[in-house]
Amino acid sequence: KAGVTQTPRYLIKTRGQQVTLSCSPISGHRSVSWYQQTPGQGLQFLFEYFSETQRNKGNFPGRFSGRQFSNSRSEMNVSTLELGDSALYLCASSKRGTERASGGTDTQYFGPGTRLTVL
Amino acid sequence: QKEVEQNSGPLSVPEGAIASLNCTYSDRGSQSFFWYRQYSGKSPELIMFIYSNGDKEDGRFTAQLNKASQYVSLLIRDSQPSDSATYLCAVKGEGRRALTFGSGTRLQVQP
Repeated sequence: KAGVTQTPRYLIKTRGQQVTLSCSPISGHRSVSWYQQTPGQGLQFLFEYFSETQRNKGNFPGRFSGRQFSNSRSEMNVSTLELGDSALYLCASSKRGTERASGGTDTQYFGPGTRLTVL
Repeated sequence: QKEVEQNSGPLSVPEGAIASLNCTYSDRGSQSFFWYRQYSGKSPELIMFIYSNGDKEDGRFTAQLNKASQYVSLLIRDSQPSDSATYLCAVKGEGRRALTFGSGTRLQVQP
């Protein structure tokens, strides 16, 4: 079974620009979560999408947004890029069963990430 | 206090030894606990998860959970140089979907 795929793998942008990152989850997985990883802050949760709806959101400004399509693929967008947005952006997919069914097994599997550099 | 705390390391062990990685968490309602391994420049890779008190073994890896002490650990037996990586502890709180990660412990296995 193919894993989580993310495109592009590397991006270089300048301040003020916007960027769109794409994520395709594992087949059969309907939930996609996005995380930002930086050396200073570590791995931080951005948001989760399930059934084309944002279900959870982390503590990031409104410049960070996302969406999910009917085939569960997801995109995230960052507008008005700042130098501090340079990071590894990771997408994780999971089956996301019901709360009772998922218990401890609603496991998230990460894609290879998109390395964004803002100059 | 951080929600999930790990010693940043590096933790250095000789090849063949047992590596012990520790993690504490602050949310008593946390239900699920995950260990990920991340090689430099790569994305996190799931090693195992645990949600019941006690030990869970998978090959050379054993996860230990003590909810009363809010403590979860990962033991790696017969450590190999290929185990050298950063190990991330992640916690899922009650009713929450997002994972909260510790800052990771860097493990170095010396040949």
